Amino acid sequence: DVHLLESGGTFVRPGESLRLSCLASGFTFGAHVMNWVRLTPGQGLEWLSTIDESGHRTYYPDSVRGRFAAYRDNSRNLLFLQMNSLRAEDTAIYFCARANALDSWGQGTLVTVSS
Amino acid sequence: QSALTQPASVSGSPGQSITISCTGTSSDVGGYNYVSWYQQHPGKAPKLMIYDVSKRPSGLSNRFSGSKSGNTASLTISGLQAEDEADYYCNSYTRNTTVVFGGGTKLTVL
Repeated sequence: DVHLLESGGTFVRPGESLRLSCLASGFTFGAHVMNWVRLTPGQGLEWLSTIDESGHRTYYPDSVRGRFAAYRDNSRNLLFLQMNSLRAEDTAIYFCARANALDSWGQGTLVTVSS
Repeated sequence: QSALTQPASVSGSPGQSITISCTGTSSDVGGYNYVSWYQQHPGKAPKLMIYDVSKRPSGLSNRFSGSKSGNTASLTISGLQAEDEADYYCNSYTRNTTVVFGGGTKLTVL
């Protein structure tokens, strides 16, 4: 079975940085595009990034481009999201999801940004 | 990248059918056959229900179906059941090689 497990979420102050991880199992990780998506109370789901199978190409929405960076380590089945200059509005549950169709999701990790 | 437009809420009685709309533009929903729908129960991860406008993942109930006309995609749930009560989100690939979600629709089973 496909399994995705996010970690790294915690409480941080505005302006700080944080790195999230997503450990994949149950499938050939390096053969799939991967994504990060967040769920914000009252605002719903927001797509944050897509990274291709090799990790050479990444895509972001304007809202996080330049602050967030996705990368992956296919040898360890790991996906990462580096988040810099965090703001209160980045408070959310962060999910990793597989493939362009987002066909499998992890359970999410909570990031709280507050002064 | 503006969010796709979904109704905030819909409701229906058990056994009935409901349809949730998802309206975008020719740069996203109308321009590509890459619309997906997700179901999310409180505290749970989203679950893929429909992809590529109308395809169902293996094993998913055929009570769920998707379609598209112009810039509007739709999710129809037939034979409504209590466990269908959840939030539903659509998303679409866009011209800018990005992805955009709808604002979500809360389905209430009366």
